[in-house]
Amino acid sequence: EVHLLESGGGLVQPGGSLRLSCAASGFTFTDFAMTWVRQAPGKGLEWVSAISYSGGNTYYADSVKGRFTISRDNSQNTLYLQMNSLTAEDTAIYYCAKDLYVGSTRGSFDYWGQGTLVTVSS
Amino acid sequence: DIQMTQSPSSLSASVGDRVTITCQASQDISNHLNWYQQKSGKAPKLLIYDGSNLETGVPSRFSGSGFGTHFTFTISSLQPEDIATYYCQQYDDLFTFGPGTKVDIK
Repeated sequence: EVHLLESGGGLVQPGGSLRLSCAASGFTFTDFAMTWVRQAPGKGLEWVSAISYSGGNTYYADSVKGRFTISRDNSQNTLYLQMNSLTAEDTAIYYCAKDLYVGSTRGSFDYWGQGTLVTVSS
Repeated sequence: DIQMTQSPSSLSASVGDRVTITCQASQDISNHLNWYQQKSGKAPKLLIYDGSNLETGVPSRFSGSGFGTHFTFTISSLQPEDIATYYCQQYDDLFTFGPGTKVDIK
């Protein structure tokens, strides 16, 4: 059974940093692209960042480009999101999600974690 | 950047009703469109991928159609467990979600 478990969320001051993790199990992690999607309180879904199955290609939304870094450790079946220069607008639940297709950063997300809440506030 | 719009933003229908949601892309995205269901307090769930393909395990009352810039999502017979917000999402050029349609039972 596929399982994605995010961790690392919490309260951080504006300008601060946080690193989110997503531990994956139940599938061959190295075969699938992964993505981060966030949802501000009471708002809709916003795609944040994606990484290819090998980690060789990364993609970012304009709203986080230059501040966030996505990475993965295929030996540990773990996805990461390093978030720097955080602002109140980054306050959201952050979900990690798995791509549907093997070997492709296709953009159809078939499994999601339960999310981790990031709150940026002084 | 590709922008996605959905209509209506919310709807209320009776159990057994046919419910239709539309999604429009700001440019041609072929069939590169997915539909997700998000219940309150839960993670989104993929229902339809590649415009019209039903994800494994999803009830057949859900369907999707469309190509290019105009897409439709249909629940053929609304059930109480379908109360949720539904999002379209394009993957033709990176990834963009629509603003969502909240579905309620009348």
